[in-house]
Amino acid sequence: KAGVTQTPRYLIKTRGQQVTLSCSPISGHRSVSWYQQTPGQGLQFLFEYFSETQRNKGNFPGRFSGRQFSNSRSEMNVSTLELGDSALYLCASSLEGAGYTFGSGTRLTVV
Amino acid sequence: AQSVTQLDSQVPVFEEAPVELRCNYSSSVSVYLFWYVQYPNQGLQLLLKYLSGSTLVESINGFEAEFNKSQTSFHLRKPSVHISDTAEYFCAVSGRMEYGNKLVFGAGTILRVKS
Repeated sequence: KAGVTQTPRYLIKTRGQQVTLSCSPISGHRSVSWYQQTPGQGLQFLFEYFSETQRNKGNFPGRFSGRQFSNSRSEMNVSTLELGDSALYLCASSLEGAGYTFGSGTRLTVV
Repeated sequence: AQSVTQLDSQVPVFEEAPVELRCNYSSSVSVYLFWYVQYPNQGLQLLLKYLSGSTLVESINGFEAEFNKSQTSFHLRKPSVHISDTAEYFCAVSGRMEYGNKLVFGAGTILRVKS
């Protein structure tokens, strides 16, 4: 059974650019959530999607957005990148009430 | 809203010694509890979880955690650690909400196993 797949693994972008990260959940999982991990702020919840609808959102600016497709794959987008957006972005998929499985993450560096 | 406190940022321990990583949580609703492990440059791996039932949960690699509702704790223990257990460990909680679950993480505890 394939795990959660995140692409790309590494990304370098310039301030002001935008970026799109992709997440393919475990087959059958309809919930996909995104987290940002930084040394200073730790692991913070960005948003969760279930059946193509955003169910929950963390305290991040509107530059951070996401979507989920009918096959449960999800993308997150960050526009107008800032240096502080450099982080490991983690995606997790879950069955309701059964725990969360994380991908290996996308390491974003903004220069 | 939920919050998680991991009481130790780093725990050094010698190989084959026992270890306890402490985790306390606060929540106004019933919760699910998790421990995740993260090795350098990797994502989070689920170590164990408490969803319901027995308050003592075990992982396949010898870790165990006990859900204590009265003390709002979910401490992680291992009777004998190995060098390969060196990693960062995160305690997390999610509310038993019908819709819109999210994980709230503690700040993490770095376990350093020394030979």
